[in-house]
Amino acid sequence: SYVLTQPPSVSVAPGKTARITCGANNIGSKSVHWYQQKPDQAPVLVIYYDTDRPSGIPERFSGSNSGNTATLTITRVEAGDEADYYCQVWDGSSDLYVFGTGTKVTVL
Amino acid sequence: EVQLVQSGTEVKKPGESLKISCKGSGYSFTTYWIGWVRQMPGKGLEWMGILYPVDSYTRYRPSFQGQVTFSADKSMSTAYLQWSSLKASDTAMYYCARRNNSSFDYWGQGTLVTVSS
Repeated sequence: SYVLTQPPSVSVAPGKTARITCGANNIGSKSVHWYQQKPDQAPVLVIYYDTDRPSGIPERFSGSNSGNTATLTITRVEAGDEADYYCQVWDGSSDLYVFGTGTKVTVL
Repeated sequence: EVQLVQSGTEVKKPGESLKISCKGSGYSFTTYWIGWVRQMPGKGLEWMGILYPVDSYTRYRPSFQGQVTFSADKSMSTAYLQWSSLKASDTAMYYCARRNNSSFDYWGQGTLVTVSS
């Protein structure tokens, strides 16, 4: 089955840039979506189709996808960005939706 | 405003049955598939399967096939997730989410299911 691998944790100082990776074989050929989940809350879609932001999501959130790695980038990180982040794809070969392993972002 | 509102917390014993719900509003319920996602305590998101509310066509992740049942009442704009015989390992938060193309753009608030003797 298709596996999406994320680093378990990323730490970043306020005002700096956080980059969260999502690795898988030829992920660049798929559409990647990203979700933010704060403690005791439901996930929220923050990036869809690799680079698009839903309305209401700050421009500080951006995405990229190429080769074997997709990346969620958060610029000018704020304390309120502290959360778990998950990537997700639809694997057409198996018709399954797959979530990444999740990354906990800590704002120092 | 698009909303998915789920039923409340459940505490059950092993072997009991359960049906939880997810009511959609603010959009045409029959236009979008509904996905179900499990999150076990302290763990990540796990896609369980997906349901098409028009005809209740379902696609289950293989590990959930035969373990749960999805259904929908389109007249009530409500999707359901049910178990016929709960196990302690079913203890988790369960989310419904609206599928938009290949992403899940709106999520319910979650239903916490605890199975304990």
